[in-house]
Amino acid sequence: GAGVSQSPSNKVTEKGKDVELRCDPISGHTALYWYRQRLGQGLEFLIYFQGNSAPDKSGLPSDRFSAERTGESVSTLTIQRTQQEDSAVYLCASTAHLAGPNTQYFGPGTRLTVL
Amino acid sequence: AQSVSQHNHHVILSEAASLELGCNYSYGGTVNLFWYVQYPGQHLQLLLKYFSGDPLVKGIKGFEAEFIKSKFSFNLRKPSVQWSDTAEYFCAVNGDNDMRFGAGTRLTVKP
Repeated sequence: GAGVSQSPSNKVTEKGKDVELRCDPISGHTALYWYRQRLGQGLEFLIYFQGNSAPDKSGLPSDRFSAERTGESVSTLTIQRTQQEDSAVYLCASTAHLAGPNTQYFGPGTRLTVL
Repeated sequence: AQSVSQHNHHVILSEAASLELGCNYSYGGTVNLFWYVQYPGQHLQLLLKYFSGDPLVKGIKGFEAEFIKSKFSFNLRKPSVQWSDTAEYFCAVNGDNDMRFGAGTRLTVKP
């Protein structure tokens, strides 16, 4: 079946512009995560959504970052007034449920380059 | 809050050498444990996982990991590495409604 998809695959933008990244999780997966991977660094948790519960935003690095998810479908990660340090690969993952055994399925990522 | 530590940042081995990558976590409750691999230019893939039962779990491509509860560890092993194992390896822990990743270990295998 279809996996997690993300768009765009690559995004080059100018400093100060806003960008919107999209994630389509696997159908039926209730939990959705956003991560960031900067060059040479490990994964950095950003935010996760679990069903209709309030999202865990504890990983968002600043108020320029926000994310939305409608129900158990598409999620968008928005970065306002982008800075060069925002350059990274942004990964989305979904999982069927969080309580009990679960495996995260990752999308291919969006490579963001801020000039 | 739970955390995951991968002590080896960069490991360089020759082909056929044995591999062990360390992973320690801090969390007192029941956890699910994972190892993910990211090959150059590709996205993350699940290598293996532990939920319960036999603490020695076998994954794809000859990898295995052992869960030692008393040591809060979930080290990844492979008896004989290949050049194609060159990649970044991430340990992850899921417990208490959260998923945390280690910083990753870069493995370079010299032909």
